[in-house]
Amino acid sequence: SAVISQKPSRDICQRGTSLTIQCQVDSQVTMMFWYRQQPGQSLTLIATANQGSEATYESGFVIDKFPISRPNLTFSTLTVSNMSPEDSSIYLCSVAPGTSLEQYFGPGTRLTVT
Amino acid sequence: DQQVKQNSPSLSVQEGRISILNCDYTNSMFDYFLWYKKYPAEGPTFLISISSIKDKNEDGRFTVFLNKSAKHLSLHIVPSQPGDSAVYFCAASARSGSARQLTFGSGTQLTVLP
Repeated sequence: SAVISQKPSRDICQRGTSLTIQCQVDSQVTMMFWYRQQPGQSLTLIATANQGSEATYESGFVIDKFPISRPNLTFSTLTVSNMSPEDSSIYLCSVAPGTSLEQYFGPGTRLTVT
Repeated sequence: DQQVKQNSPSLSVQEGRISILNCDYTNSMFDYFLWYKKYPAEGPTFLISISSIKDKNEDGRFTVFLNKSAKHLSLHIVPSQPGDSAVYFCAASARSGSARQLTFGSGTQLTVLP
């Protein structure tokens, strides 16, 4: 498994602003993933972030709205840009260590946009 | 189109009895299945998984059963304990390029009554 931390744990932001969420892992991993869980909904994959290459976005998510950085094998950031109340969600990062078929999740960032 | 479905949003059982959580899927490309447990204000925690080449996997009080012909899996918890009260997510995995992506169900809130 892996120990994953996220910052911030929660934030309240005004519409039109941007928030950058950090994800730190205690070991080197190739694959990192960013998910969103809207209120009362399941987890939806936003993008897959490989170190050294551009993130791959899922249908319905675009780089201009959710830019991702992956500068090394233990760290990634997700920015939620030009926020609206519809972006109010829990944002989670996850990793798949080594050849593991399981993903391990961080504690999440609870974002409220007013 | 929901590829992974958990049709029961909630389930209540008495402490000591068996909890059975169900999950159905539609995509034949899924070849690995996982269950996660999520407490409020925490990220999902990996619980147990099963490969499509098996029909049963057991880990302590938790057993997952897979019926490929019915595209159905279930999680059995026995005996159930109050600490098991959480939201349980079923997830399915298929290879997509170089990555393995998870598709989540909508979750089942399990309440174990003392």
